Amino acid sequence: GENVEQHPSTLSVQEGDSAVIKCTYSDSASNYFPWYKQELGKGPQLIIDIRSNVGEKKDQRIAVTLNKTAKHFSLHITETQPEDSAVYFCAASDSWGKLQFGAGTQVVVTP
Amino acid sequence: ETGVTQSPTHLIKTRGQQVTLRCSSQSGHNTVSWYQQALGQGPQFIFQYYREEENGRGNFPPRFSGLQFPNYSSELNVNALELDDSALYLCASNPDRSQETQYFGPGTRLLVL
Repeated sequence: GENVEQHPSTLSVQEGDSAVIKCTYSDSASNYFPWYKQELGKGPQLIIDIRSNVGEKKDQRIAVTLNKTAKHFSLHITETQPEDSAVYFCAASDSWGKLQFGAGTQVVVTP
Repeated sequence: ETGVTQSPTHLIKTRGQQVTLRCSSQSGHNTVSWYQQALGQGPQFIFQYYREEENGRGNFPPRFSGLQFPNYSSELNVNALELDDSALYLCASNPDRSQETQYFGPGTRLLVL
């Protein structure tokens, strides 16, 4: 089955700096890669996703890149703000929608 | 807001008891998935329902079971509760099983004593 590894487990950045979170997956059949943000006491919130026919996608300060050959995908947050502080999860799924999540990255943005 | 609601928000049970957790999906969302999230970990897939039938299952024992109803609501039932069942239980819905984007509810926090 699919195995998703996520690094780092914690990330502390100064406000205004960039944050990068990296994930690898094992199943070459995976074709959908969402990123979720989870704040304390809440469910995961989809922030961006990418499908396997696309190499990069950007939405304002957030971007995701995918390298299918290396089975790597990454989340980039630019100009970080205190409200970006949360736990971020990457996930991978095949076409029928079982999401396999990484272990999460605790991002702390300090003013 | 995702339009996905869950009840109750918190629940305390004792080992050996049974529990039913509820989820209400967005209107038109025919697919619902349930996940278990232990403290400090990523969500783990339990199972998925599509049009009221189980459409895939993760590595969870049969004492975890589910139901999906025509009114876009669903249930997760857990029998013979164990201490390790303590977790946040999340449901997620999407319009169709071929539509990958899943929208999560806020979860139910279950504590088993």
